[in-house]
Amino acid sequence: QKEVEQDPGPLSVPEGAIVSLNCTYSNSAFQYFMWYRQYSRKGPELLMYTYSSGNKEDGRFTAQVDKSSKYISLFIRDSQPSDSATYLCAMSAAGTASKLTFGTGTRLQVTL
Amino acid sequence: NAGVTQTPKFQVLKTGQSMTLQCAQDMNHNSMYWYRQDPGMGLRLIYYSASEGTTDKGEVPNGYNVSRLNKREFSLRLESAAPSQTSVYFCASSEGYRETQYFGPGTRLLVL
Repeated sequence: QKEVEQDPGPLSVPEGAIVSLNCTYSNSAFQYFMWYRQYSRKGPELLMYTYSSGNKEDGRFTAQVDKSSKYISLFIRDSQPSDSATYLCAMSAAGTASKLTFGTGTRLQVTL
Repeated sequence: NAGVTQTPKFQVLKTGQSMTLQCAQDMNHNSMYWYRQDPGMGLRLIYYSASEGTTDKGEVPNGYNVSRLNKREFSLRLESAAPSQTSVYFCASSEGYRETQYFGPGTRLLVL
């Protein structure tokens, strides 16, 4: 079993929809949680970062962490065609903050 | 400010050939990383350098060597390429013991 599980998709939604992307993990030592966005044939770029449990909002994006359930989510409101990309969750443990464990990524397609 | 740059963008090798992937960052970051990305496997850490003068193995180091040439540059060497090393390779850097890693555009490697 992988340490981080992520549904690969693809997930196809119409423009304007609310998108929910999720990851589950097994390592209870994980304390830092990130979401990266990766456009086709590009490198990943950091989208959201949260520490421990709770919510964080940035524009149309909201990241949620539920450490008790070992479950993290990324919500995208009013999705746009430009949001079409692969979304990777990543996480790391305290003391090894730079050593990230990535999910396999969920491919999102936002259609007109 | 170019961020993280990688060369070459694309390379085809024959089994047994050697090559070096180059990575440079202009953000004065202390830590640098090499990942490979394969379908269904996500990003996996090959080697990292927490600071100039140090290197450590990641999750999948076999068949690779690295050199932290100076603070800016971190190279990845394949001494005898194998088809299993066909992948997309990403270099990343971070300020230090922090979680925000910035990725380069990647090198696509095909080993025949």
